[in-house]
Amino acid sequence: EAQVTQNPRYLITVTGKKLTVTCSQNMNHEYMSWYRQDPGLGLRQIYYSMNVEVTDKGDVPEGYKVSRKEKRNFPLILESPSPNQTSLYFCASSYDNEQFFGPGTRLTVL
Amino acid sequence: QKEVEQNSGPLSVPEGAIASLNCTYSDRGSQSFFWYRQYSGKSPELIMSIYSNGDKEDGRFTAQLNKASQYVSLLIRDSQPSDSATYLCAVSGTGNQFYFGTGTSLTVIP
Repeated sequence: EAQVTQNPRYLITVTGKKLTVTCSQNMNHEYMSWYRQDPGLGLRQIYYSMNVEVTDKGDVPEGYKVSRKEKRNFPLILESPSPNQTSLYFCASSYDNEQFFGPGTRLTVL
Repeated sequence: QKEVEQNSGPLSVPEGAIASLNCTYSDRGSQSFFWYRQYSGKSPELIMSIYSNGDKEDGRFTAQLNKASQYVSLLIRDSQPSDSATYLCAVSGTGNQFYFGTGTSLTVIP
């Protein structure tokens, strides 16, 4: 089944404790992206990647890192999470501009 | 800041009626336009994409694009209760970034 998977689906953590949210797709898509979704602000793009070893900042990259060492994986790294990073995070992969979203990761930073 | 504006609603229509959802965007360089549907607690799923001026029909859905007016709309004919969701408008330009509106909540009343 063609899909985008994210792990974990839910995470509660404390300020400053480094965490990684994994994202994997099995559709051989070159483009992958991370978004956060907040009430009243909608979906905002954090980082995106056009291909392996190519990443670019989206609209809200501060406080986040990404890497793209393999085509299928695009992890999101929060080196020192803060409460304002509490949000619902979506990973997406894309073929020909049409994005497929993962199930989401709900992150709470205390 | 590139903006995508949607009326947040809520929009309520009776079953069988036409639902009309609207979106405006600020970047005249935008080239690709999308409508996503998001059920509560779920991830966005693509329902329509449109790239050139005019109408594009897919089943009960019609997307309309007017680049001169920087306006894109989605019509849902014969609305069903299962269409009740939040509809997200998204726009992409030459920079490979995606910009989403905050979404319009649609309720179809049986």
